[in-house]
Amino acid sequence: EIVMTQSPATLSVSPGERATLSCRASQSVSSNLAWYQQKPGQAPRLLIYGASTRATGIPARFSGSGSGTEFTLTISSLQSEDFAVYYCQQYNNWPPATFGQGTKVEIK
Amino acid sequence: QVQLVQSGAEVKKPGASVKVSCKASGYTFTSYDINWVRQATGQGLEWMGWMNPNSGNTGYAQKFQGRVTMTRNTSISTAYMELSSLRSEDTAVYYCARASYFSNYIDYWGQGTLVTVSS
Repeated sequence: EIVMTQSPATLSVSPGERATLSCRASQSVSSNLAWYQQKPGQAPRLLIYGASTRATGIPARFSGSGSGTEFTLTISSLQSEDFAVYYCQQYNNWPPATFGQGTKVEIK
Repeated sequence: QVQLVQSGAEVKKPGASVKVSCKASGYTFTSYDINWVRQATGQGLEWMGWMNPNSGNTGYAQKFQGRVTMTRNTSISTAYMELSSLRSEDTAVYYCARASYFSNYIDYWGQGTLVTVSS
């Protein structure tokens, strides 16, 4: 089973600043990686799939990059609605789907 | 629009079983796999398994093998997840989630169902 490791666990960022979240896979997952956003009390929402393709309706300030074992989610200018927990998920070696443990983006 | 509407919260005693439903609308139910993912309070996402609503084929995470059963009723576009031999550690929000047509990432999620296991 592929293990996904996200860093940092918590990221403190001021509104308007850039946030960079990392996700590492224990072995190559090619570009078969997705990112999800979850706000308190809500279900996760798909942000990025294929490592870099934004899902429908996702603002351009969200971008994904990477391949193989190293991936990055960048939020170019944090808005108030972006403070949430972000999860990566690999779907290259499926099943099982495996998620990272999450990165909480909080207001600095 | 695509919607996955789950059944309401449940409270169960240890050793009991729970069955959560997930009604799909806004798309052809049999054309997309359904995954089940759970989340304990304050914890991350844990994948439980998947089901192909067309064939009924399923695949379960090793952790849940022997305790989980995923089924469907295509006439009412509804998927079900039943978890047996409940223990306190099974207290969590359970999500059904649709896999994308071309790959295995999740593109739509249900609202979640809280299952509380308590004596």
